[in-house]
Amino acid sequence: NAGVTQTPKFQVLKTGQSMTLQCAQDMNHNSMYWYRQDPGMGLRLIYYSASEGTTDKGEVPNGYNVSRLNKREFSLRLESAAPSQTSVYFCASSELASGKNIQYFGAGTRLSVL
Amino acid sequence: AQKITQTQPGMFVQEKEAVTLDCTYDTSDPSYGLFWYKQPSSGEMIFLIYQGSYDQQNATEGRYSLNFQKARKSANLVISASQLGDSAMYFCAMRERGYSGGGADGLTFGKGTHLIIQP
Repeated sequence: NAGVTQTPKFQVLKTGQSMTLQCAQDMNHNSMYWYRQDPGMGLRLIYYSASEGTTDKGEVPNGYNVSRLNKREFSLRLESAAPSQTSVYFCASSELASGKNIQYFGAGTRLSVL
Repeated sequence: AQKITQTQPGMFVQEKEAVTLDCTYDTSDPSYGLFWYKQPSSGEMIFLIYQGSYDQQNATEGRYSLNFQKARKSANLVISASQLGDSAMYFCAMRERGYSGGGADGLTFGKGTHLIIQP
């Protein structure tokens, strides 16, 4: 089972370039999330989507946009990348109906902005 | 104030010993969930164990157990009979039902504990 798949795994950008991080899940989950992880830190929530058609800001949304394309896919876009956005980005999904809302994570995307 | 505090940046433990990783949390929400994740050097986040705020018993999953002390706002992870493969970063996280009301909002993570198991 694939679970949560993120592409690309690695990316190097120049300041001001744009890019979209892709995320897809095959667990039929309703909710999806984007986090970033900086060195020595835990993950911080950027945006989330409780269900298809809805998105909401998390703790650190500035500089990012998201699109919930369908139930399976949730993309994160950097319109004008900045060095402060150098980080590891994780996508996750969960099923609220389970009550526990356990989030399952993709393998991450390592992004460097020069 | 931090919502999740992990006071042990790093720990060295002998193989086969039991390990306790500390986690304290701060919330005024009566309904919340507590999670532990493992992040090996390969980088992925692996779910280990969950404890709900209304659960009467401590959660257990194989060699993992969660020592939940609600009054102290403590949710320590206990790993019994540690193995070399347990070497990794361990993160405590919390979900509050919070502002969205539906519980779909994300997790708040601590800064992690780097556990190294020595042979």
